[in-house]
Amino acid sequence: KNEVEQSPQNLTAQEGEFITINCSYSVGISALHWLQQHPGGGIVSLFMLSSGKKKHGRLIATINIQEKHSSLHITASHPRDSAVYICAVRFLNTGNQFYFGTGTSLTVIP
Amino acid sequence: EPEVTQTPSHQVTQMGQEVILRCVPISNHLYFYWYRQILGQKVEFLVSFYNNEISEKSEIFDDQFSVERPDGSNFTLKIRSTKLEDSAMYFCASSSYTSGGTQFFGPGTRLTVL
Repeated sequence: KNEVEQSPQNLTAQEGEFITINCSYSVGISALHWLQQHPGGGIVSLFMLSSGKKKHGRLIATINIQEKHSSLHITASHPRDSAVYICAVRFLNTGNQFYFGTGTSLTVIP
Repeated sequence: EPEVTQTPSHQVTQMGQEVILRCVPISNHLYFYWYRQILGQKVEFLVSFYNNEISEKSEIFDDQFSVERPDGSNFTLKIRSTKLEDSAMYFCASSSYTSGGTQFFGPGTRLTVL
């Protein structure tokens, strides 16, 4: 069964803290997408990865294919990072459609 | 920077009415998608579209739904006879070979069915 699990569901951090959000999935994938959803609802793509690690500014995404697990890290967190972070995966057995996790709601307190 | 746009931002309709949600994908993209997000729930895939035809669709995408690319720029989602449970945020996305599979999302249309 194709499943995507994220943890934690909710996360509150102090400004400046290092944050980790986790995503695990049930079967083999061809790609994993990290997305950011703002309170207004808009969705922004952060990373698309299928192996290794990617970095953009204070954001780092890693994926371990063998363990079926990905992490999104935010260094030196800031209140403007407050948003819902969503993991979405494209399973090997389901063509091009993405399956979405339920999201991690992050609040960074000044 | 090119972006996906969607209109309207909010649509209110009566149950049983037809609605058309519009999207303008990024101009050189070839793959188009519709997703929906019921309030408080996760985003769900509805349909993908390539080369003027549906390439994949989910169980949600039943006979009440249809998609169309009526001209070179617009991509539409039609719901023929709306139900209360169709109330959701609908997102359009597009991608291309050169985007490496990364999908670019529009801002969404909030559909409210009364």
